[in-house]
Amino acid sequence: QKEVEQDPGPLSVPEGAIVSLNCTYSNSAFQYFMWYRQYSRKGPELLMYTYSSGNKEDGRFTAQVDKSSKYISLFIRDSQPSDSATYLCAMRTNTGTASKLTFGTGTRLQVTL
Amino acid sequence: KAGVTQTPRYLIKTRGQQVTLSCSPISGHRSVSWYQQTPGQGLQFLFEYFSETQRNKGNFPGRFSGRQFSNSRSEMNVSTLELGDSALYLCASNSQGAAYNEQFFGPGTRLTVL
Repeated sequence: QKEVEQDPGPLSVPEGAIVSLNCTYSNSAFQYFMWYRQYSRKGPELLMYTYSSGNKEDGRFTAQVDKSSKYISLFIRDSQPSDSATYLCAMRTNTGTASKLTFGTGTRLQVTL
Repeated sequence: KAGVTQTPRYLIKTRGQQVTLSCSPISGHRSVSWYQQTPGQGLQFLFEYFSETQRNKGNFPGRFSGRQFSNSRSEMNVSTLELGDSALYLCASNSQGAAYNEQFFGPGTRLTVL
């Protein structure tokens, strides 16, 4: 069983919809949680990161962490065609370096006009 | 500020050959990490270099190796290539200057093993 599970999709939604992306994890040592966006033929780019349980908002994006359930979510409001990409959750422990991230396999999102 | 650059962008090799991939981090970044991305496994951590020393290593066989130079540029080598090594190899750098360090990824090198 993988340490981080993520539904690969694809997920297709109409423009303006609210999108919910989720990951579950099994390692309770994970303390930092991140969401990356990856466009085709590009490297991942960081969208949001959180440390504690609860919600964190940045524009149209909200990241939610529930450590007790080992579940994280990313919500995208008013989705746009430009949001079409693969979304990757990533996490790491509180020890060691910041560089060893454990990723989900990614969810491909398609926002249609 | 220029981003992380990787060369070459695309590579085709045959089984048994070896390959060297190159990564130039963002100026001032001393930490370079390598990841392998495949459709089935997603992104998997290979190793991290900091100040020319390997600081962390993932669960990959010894055929995968790397090094870092004094200017922080890094190379990754895969010897005796197997079909399963076909993947996107991503390099990431970070500044190591804060409690949380954002990793900046390059565009990747697409390796195809025939």
